[in-house]
Amino acid sequence: DADVTQTPRNRITKTGKRIMLECSQTKGHDRMYWYRQDPGLGLRLIYYSFDVKDINKGEISDGYSVSRQAQAKFSLSLESAIPNQTALYFCATSFGGGYEQYFGPGTRLTVT
Amino acid sequence: GDSVTQMEGPVTLSEEAFLTINCTYTATGYPSLFWYVQYPGEGLQLLLKATKADDKGSNKGFEATYRKETTSFHLEKGSVQVSDSAVYFCALSDYNAGGTSYGKLTFGQGTILTVHP
Repeated sequence: DADVTQTPRNRITKTGKRIMLECSQTKGHDRMYWYRQDPGLGLRLIYYSFDVKDINKGEISDGYSVSRQAQAKFSLSLESAIPNQTALYFCATSFGGGYEQYFGPGTRLTVT
Repeated sequence: GDSVTQMEGPVTLSEEAFLTINCTYTATGYPSLFWYVQYPGEGLQLLLKATKADDKGSNKGFEATYRKETTSFHLEKGSVQVSDSAVYFCALSDYNAGGTSYGKLTFGQGTILTVHP
């Protein structure tokens, strides 16, 4: 089984809808991250969490919110989706600072 | 703030050709440097890393050396294969002056590599 899983893998939604992307991990890591990938822009950090009670905004947090329900679960929400949030979204985990991050398979989100 | 710049792609090579993908960075403190690879339809996976100046990371025939004086971490491979076709990302992790890392990665824009038989 994969160490970092994301659901759904693909989602098409309409402008204004609320949507939640979920991430689960079995690696036992405290740190979890949400990124979005756009062509030609690499990956940009949306939110990150060092433990259940420590959540921080990344460089592009506007329009997004997160919830760390447990050490193993970190959800990303779009309260009112807009077309420029169409992107590939990745969840990642790490043991600590300076260590590698382990990525999930990604969720392809399309907002029409 | 921290930033990473990769050479523009896409890069197209024939099998067994030599590969170089340039990466330069701007950062305060003492970042760790990484190369990640993304195969079609998959998430990113770590290819190699280096944590201090002059370290060389290597894996699967790929190499990169942490050059503090030129703020670079160029990726090289002596003989590429069709199976190396993927998107390659250079990244750094933040460090403050006291040596504590917050673990945030800053990525370059990615370089698409296509290798033909």
